[in-house]
Amino acid sequence: GEDVEQSLFLSVREGDSSVINCTYTDSSSTYLYWYKQEPGAGLQLLTYIFSNMDMKQDQRLTVLLNKKDKHLSLRIADTQTGDSAIYFCAEKKENNDMRFGAGTRLTVKP
Amino acid sequence: NAGVTQTPKFQVLKTGQSMTLQCAQDMNHEYMSWYRQDPGMGLRLIHYSVGAGITDQGEVPNGYNVSRSTTEDFPLRLLSAAPSQTSVYFCASSLSRGLSGNTIYFGEGSWLTVV
Repeated sequence: GEDVEQSLFLSVREGDSSVINCTYTDSSSTYLYWYKQEPGAGLQLLTYIFSNMDMKQDQRLTVLLNKKDKHLSLRIADTQTGDSAIYFCAEKKENNDMRFGAGTRLTVKP
Repeated sequence: NAGVTQTPKFQVLKTGQSMTLQCAQDMNHEYMSWYRQDPGMGLRLIHYSVGAGITDQGEVPNGYNVSRSTTEDFPLRLLSAAPSQTSVYFCASSLSRGLSGNTIYFGEGSWLTVV
């Protein structure tokens, strides 16, 4: 498809793991990103993965990349209320254009 | 270190009015861009610039103009505001267009309502 696709909403309990999924468009995309947007703020880069990797871990964050299926996921371990935000998946295409998903609103319940 | 600064943060316009959203960065970045964010949609690229004096259209350029007379500033002009331009606008910058994502910085956003 033409769009980077994400589920719009995810709700988890504090302490559980959150998994946010994304399907991107271009199998030749060089970098895949996860951004976090808190209310009233700009986008903050959380992590990124180069297309020749299939996993990247950074503290509570784990990114998994399945190039064959063009599927990217972000797992947040031990989710906290401060993790409540909108998470955007993005790809950098071969021509260096960035394409963003619509964002997944993560709600963490106490 | 101010990073990417956008002004104004909030603006209400009447249909047909014109205005300029300001964006400035103090990191000597070559690449600057403007996105709009609409509910249920990802960020969409409006215009971008790879250096002073050079601008190009993104995915949704109609109704907007940009200029890049200095490295630091990249203003976005709405020529004749329409309700369809009600959105949140983000300015972003990076060292260059081709580098990895860890060099992309976003401003805090400008909330624009056209009535």
